[in-house]
Amino acid sequence: AQSVTQLGSHVSVSEGALVLLRCNYSSSVPPYLFWYVQYPNQGLQLLLKYTSAATLVKGINGFEAEFKKSETSFHLTKPSAHMSDAAEYFCAANTGNQFYFGTGTSLTVIP
Amino acid sequence: DTEVTQTPKHLVMGMTNKKSLKCEQHMGHRAMYWYKQKAKKPPELMFVYSYEKLSINESVPSRFSPECPNSSLLNLHLHALQPEDSALYLCASSPRLAGPADTQYFGPGTRLTVL
Repeated sequence: AQSVTQLGSHVSVSEGALVLLRCNYSSSVPPYLFWYVQYPNQGLQLLLKYTSAATLVKGINGFEAEFKKSETSFHLTKPSAHMSDAAEYFCAANTGNQFYFGTGTSLTVIP
Repeated sequence: DTEVTQTPKHLVMGMTNKKSLKCEQHMGHRAMYWYKQKAKKPPELMFVYSYEKLSINESVPSRFSPECPNSSLLNLHLHALQPEDSALYLCASSPRLAGPADTQYFGPGTRLTVL
């Protein structure tokens, strides 16, 4: 069965520090992977998506993710955290019929 | 324009009320979705419409009734809800249903409270 696993339901980083949010997918999931961000009381906003064109994907707000087939991973990174990055982050896989969401990671940025 | 709009933003209703949620997109997308989201949880798929026809119903109770009047509009009719139905209801759209590389674009959601 398709699945997406996000390691760490809560991540805290200091402002200016590296942000690393982890996402692993099951081997049966096709390589169409997405990261969404959700700010409080808002909908989901697309940060970036991988569709096999390039393994390093750049998204909005300085975020990027690298697809590593050997590790079945699609981790999200940002070199320097900003206070405005505090939000819930969801990794998702699209099988064509349905989106499979990870359980989400809540990012806290400490001033 | 990649905007999906939802109204109302907030809704409070009693268990005997009938209300409707509305979702609209003008991106020419032919797949539209309803999700339910509880706090700090991922969205849970409820219904999927493809070309205005119901394609997926994830065993949702009949007190939720979806409707797709045209390719731009999606409604969710609510009747005799329970307090546990209180949640954020998200609408989304994508160019087509079976497009693995297609992005789902989400609306801002309707925060529903059932008293």
